[in-house]
Amino acid sequence: DAMVIQNPRYQVTQFGKPVTLSCSQTLNHNVMYWYQQKSSQAPKLLFHYYDKDFNNEADTPDNFQSRRPNTSFCFLDIRSPGLGDAAMYLCATSRDRLLLSYEQYFGPGTRLTVT
Amino acid sequence: GQSLEQPSEVTAVEGAIVQINCTYQTSGFYGLSWYQQHDGGAPTFLSYNALDGLEETGRFSSFLSRSDSYGYLLLQELQMKDSASYFCAVRAAPGGGYQKVTFGTGTKLQVIP
Repeated sequence: DAMVIQNPRYQVTQFGKPVTLSCSQTLNHNVMYWYQQKSSQAPKLLFHYYDKDFNNEADTPDNFQSRRPNTSFCFLDIRSPGLGDAAMYLCATSRDRLLLSYEQYFGPGTRLTVT
Repeated sequence: GQSLEQPSEVTAVEGAIVQINCTYQTSGFYGLSWYQQHDGGAPTFLSYNALDGLEETGRFSSFLSRSDSYGYLLLQELQMKDSASYFCAVRAAPGGGYQKVTFGTGTKLQVIP
């Protein structure tokens, strides 16, 4: 089945120690998104890629970076995690940014703990 | 800026009907989506309204009024498995830029026997 896969499902890192979360998709979608979701809150968009075109949200901290080496893979790098970065990180895809492609497909998420 | 408002919690009885409202403020509006998220799970897409009116998909229906900047999700014949958080999400291009999706604060639905 075509899907969005995130690894690992649970990640523990130390304060200030760089961490990378990964996402892969078999849907061959052009757009990939990274969201941060804290407990009982809405998913908050960090950035997205339209193909190789990177789009950062204005309020995304510089501590968060992303790479998309090819259509299938996208990585979220947190350069110096703080305690406030503990959250669920959701990867999502959509076929296109155009009007007809309104559905986003989410991966299961990676729950990040910062100690 | 953009804002979306939903009730934080709703409780309903199994077999009943429940309506979850969403009001939004944005420019460059394209449409309103609804997502379901179970505890510990990922959001899953339920519906999308670009035009005024009611869209029905099985037990779930979604309504949009663009003039009122308002929509709702209607869940019929509630089942225990419908207990989850429900997010409305606005698809918009504020300021004429690229389209993006902004999620509402979410409504936690509890279905009781």
